[in-house]
Amino acid sequence: EAQVTQNPRYLITVTGKKLTVTCSQNMNHEYMSWYRQDPGLGLRQIYYSMNVEVTDKGDVPEGYKVSRKEKRNFPLILESPSPNQTSLYFCASSFAGGDGYTFGSGTRLTVV
Amino acid sequence: GQQLNQSPQSMFIQEGEDVSMNCTSSSIFNTWLWYKQEPGEGPVLLIALYKAGELTSNGRLTAQFGITRKDSFLNISASIPSDVGIYFCAGQLLGSGNTGKLIFGQGTTLQVKP
Repeated sequence: EAQVTQNPRYLITVTGKKLTVTCSQNMNHEYMSWYRQDPGLGLRQIYYSMNVEVTDKGDVPEGYKVSRKEKRNFPLILESPSPNQTSLYFCASSFAGGDGYTFGSGTRLTVV
Repeated sequence: GQQLNQSPQSMFIQEGEDVSMNCTSSSIFNTWLWYKQEPGEGPVLLIALYKAGELTSNGRLTAQFGITRKDSFLNISASIPSDVGIYFCAGQLLGSGNTGKLIFGQGTTLQVKP
């Protein structure tokens, strides 16, 4: 089944403890992206990637890192999480830049 | 960053009614997309629009790419309870090319009373 898989689905962590949210797609898509969803703000793009080793900042990149060493994987790294990064995170992938993204099921992160 | 203004913020309607929501911006877009998100899931693409003036249907859903390229609307006809969810517009700005940069509106929460 064609899908975007992100893990974990739920995560509670403490301020400052580094964490990684994994994302993998099995559709051989070139483009991948991370979004965060907060009430009243919709989805805001954190980072996106156009291909292996090609990434760029979205609208809210501060406090996040990404890497694209392989086409199928696009992990999101929070080096030192803070409570304002408590949010619902979505990974997504797309065959072409102008196409719509296919989204994963989300990771709900709570930073205390 | 760039903003998409989506309205209304929420709607509570009777089953069978038609629904209309829209997205506007002060910037010009290459692409407009409409997504639906159900509880506990990621957004799912409903309709994609690529040309100014384009009108596209998907079952009871119809969406249009505004002539000015700064707006788009989504209509749902004869709503049913399973239409419940959050609807998002999304767009790719003119000049962003095939970068994968996609901006979302704030969402319209739709509730349907049987």
